[in-house]
Amino acid sequence: DADVTQTPRNRITKTGKRIMLECSQTKGHDRMYWYRQDPGLGLRLIYYSFDVKDINKGEISDGYSVSRQAQAKFSLSLESAIPNQTALYFCATSDPGQGAGETQYFGPGTRLLVL
Amino acid sequence: AQKITQTQPGMFVQEKEAVTLDCTYDTSDQSYGLFWYKQPSSGEMIFLIYQGSYDEQNATEGRYSLNFQKARKSANLVISASQLGDSAMYFCAMRERTAGGTSYGKLTFGQGTILTVHP
Repeated sequence: DADVTQTPRNRITKTGKRIMLECSQTKGHDRMYWYRQDPGLGLRLIYYSFDVKDINKGEISDGYSVSRQAQAKFSLSLESAIPNQTALYFCATSDPGQGAGETQYFGPGTRLLVL
Repeated sequence: AQKITQTQPGMFVQEKEAVTLDCTYDTSDQSYGLFWYKQPSSGEMIFLIYQGSYDEQNATEGRYSLNFQKARKSANLVISASQLGDSAMYFCAMRERTAGGTSYGKLTFGQGTILTVHP
C-alpha cells in the first residue's frame, strides 16, 4: 500500500462549489504539506503543518483552507472554487529529525478541473 | 530573485548516454539541503537524491549523482547510462533554515526540466 494517499485522484467541479481534497499517510511523519503544480511554474506551497496544532500559510494560500485532523490526515479545502484553481495538487510528508536532509515524500496527486 | 533556477526547459539525450541537468540556487544560509525529484508522465513525484551543504563528497544514488559546486551555487544532476524510463520532468529543490535560524523550513522548487531519452 502507498505511504501517502490522496483522494480523490481526479475531480471536476463547477465555479463556486466547495471542494475538499484529502491526504492520509502511514509514514508516521509529523510534517505535512499541500502544493499545487501549474505548467511552467513548478510546485508552489499552499499550506504546511509541522504538527497537529501547527498550521502555516505557504506562498499561495488565498482561496484555500486546511484542516489537520490527526497526525496522519491533512485536508485541503477550496471554499468557492474558481477556474484558475485548476491544477495538479500534491500532498507531502516529512520527518523533521533529518535536519537539512529532511526529505519530503509525495502522494500521487489530485487533478482538479474547475469549470 | 529566484531561489532555484533551472535554465533548461527541455533536454534530449540518446539512450545509454549521460546527461546533466542544471540547477543553480541562491541562499545566504550556510546550512541547507538540495534535492532532486523526478516526475514521470503519470504525475507522481519521486525523490531521487539529496546533497547537504556541508557534505564534502558529491551524493550518488545508483545512476544518479549530484555535481555539487558550492562556490558556484550549483547542484547539477547527472544521470549516467540513460534509459527510456528516465524520460520525465526533473525538479531541483532547496531547504533552508527558517527565519529564526532554529529549524529547517519548507522546500523551494525550481520550474523543472523535461528530459526526453531517445532510443
